[in-house]
Amino acid sequence: EAQVTQNPRYLITVTGKKLTVTCSQNMNHEYMSWYRQDPGLGLRQIYYSMNVEVTDKGDVPEGYKVSRKEKRNFPLILESPSPNQTSLYFCAIKPRGEYGTDTQYFGPGTRLTVL
Amino acid sequence: AQKITQTQPGMFVQEKEAVTLDCTYDTSDQSYGLFWYKQPSSGEMIFLIYQGSYDEQNATEGRYSLNFQKARKSANLVISASQLGDSAMYFCVAAGNKLTFGGGTRVLVKP
Repeated sequence: EAQVTQNPRYLITVTGKKLTVTCSQNMNHEYMSWYRQDPGLGLRQIYYSMNVEVTDKGDVPEGYKVSRKEKRNFPLILESPSPNQTSLYFCAIKPRGEYGTDTQYFGPGTRLTVL
Repeated sequence: AQKITQTQPGMFVQEKEAVTLDCTYDTSDQSYGLFWYKQPSSGEMIFLIYQGSYDEQNATEGRYSLNFQKARKSANLVISASQLGDSAMYFCVAAGNKLTFGGGTRVLVKP
């Protein structure tokens, strides 16, 4: 079964202090993605990655960076966090061959508060 | 571009009754997928059900069924025999390279 882990699950930080939220998967899937969830806005995609060293912007990439140096990990980097990045973040993977081609499985979420 | 609209921000349902959650979508893709996810208060996102745009039959998964009306561009979720554990936020989602989420419907099941 596909598993997605995120760390940390909860984080409170201050404006401007660089942080990284890690995401890892146990199934060697090519596609990984980051979303943020805000009240009334649903989930919005930040970045996605089709494979190692292949990343692309989603709907709300400003203020975020990602890297995909190896297939299992897809960290989300906030170089200089600001309060408007306070949100619930989800990492997702897209396994092939299950249901439609677009099913995504989510990690448990990371609740970030930027003071 | 894709857009998902969920017009019900919140609703109450009596335990053991059925509930229908509305979802309309707008997409220019010829082939697409529609999903429903459940998010309980603990925060995780749980996949419930999938409908492909070319699937002729409505999808069903246990107590969940998807009432897919392609001409109307609607993909309503029906939960039969509601349980207290069904209290959660529910998101309708359209699929492409990314997922486009609706704003969600909060369901509270009353005992």
